[in-house]
Amino acid sequence: DIRLTQSPSSLSASEGDRVTLTCQASHEISNSVNWYQQKPGKAPKLLIYGASTLEAGVPSRFSGSGSGTDFTLTISSLQPEDVATYFCQQFDNVLPSFGPGTKVDLK
Amino acid sequence: EVQLVQSGAEVKKPGESLKISCKGSGYDFSNYWIAWVRQVPGKGLECLGLIFPGDSQRTYNPSFQGQVTMSVDKSLNTAYLQWNSLKASDTAIYYCAREEGGFDPWGQGTLVTVSS
Repeated sequence: DIRLTQSPSSLSASEGDRVTLTCQASHEISNSVNWYQQKPGKAPKLLIYGASTLEAGVPSRFSGSGSGTDFTLTISSLQPEDVATYFCQQFDNVLPSFGPGTKVDLK
Repeated sequence: EVQLVQSGAEVKKPGESLKISCKGSGYDFSNYWIAWVRQVPGKGLECLGLIFPGDSQRTYNPSFQGQVTMSVDKSLNTAYLQWNSLKASDTAIYYCAREEGGFDPWGQGTLVTVSS
């Protein structure tokens, strides 16, 4: 089984701050990581696939990087509409699995 | 527009059976895997499994195998998730999603509440 851990579990930042979320895999998984945003009461939304490719329509302030076991989602300038929980997902094996999530709030 | 629309919220008693649905539109339903994902309110996301509508090939999460059954009706562009005997611990929101490298789009979710 490939297990994903995310840190921090939650954070508070000010509007305009640069925010960095991390996801670590228990085994090497190349670039097989996606990132999702989930706002309260809504279904998750795909933001980034293949570790670094921005899904169509996603603002350019979001970016992803990493390979192997360590991955990062960066929001270059936090906006009020970015308040959400962010999940990473691995799809290196037949059954995709998710990390526990990072909750992002505004100070 | 590619879209998945799920059936409405359900309230059931322990031991009852249930089948929820997920209808796809705007794309070739038969040629994309459909994933089912569970979310206990306020908690994380768990993938129950995936099904390929073209040939009904299934991959179950071992943690859920035997607890739920995935099926499809290609003629209706609809996938189903079924329980034969619900437990209180099945209370959660259940999402379907189209799989293509990532899960996109997602259905709106079906809240299943199991309570005596």
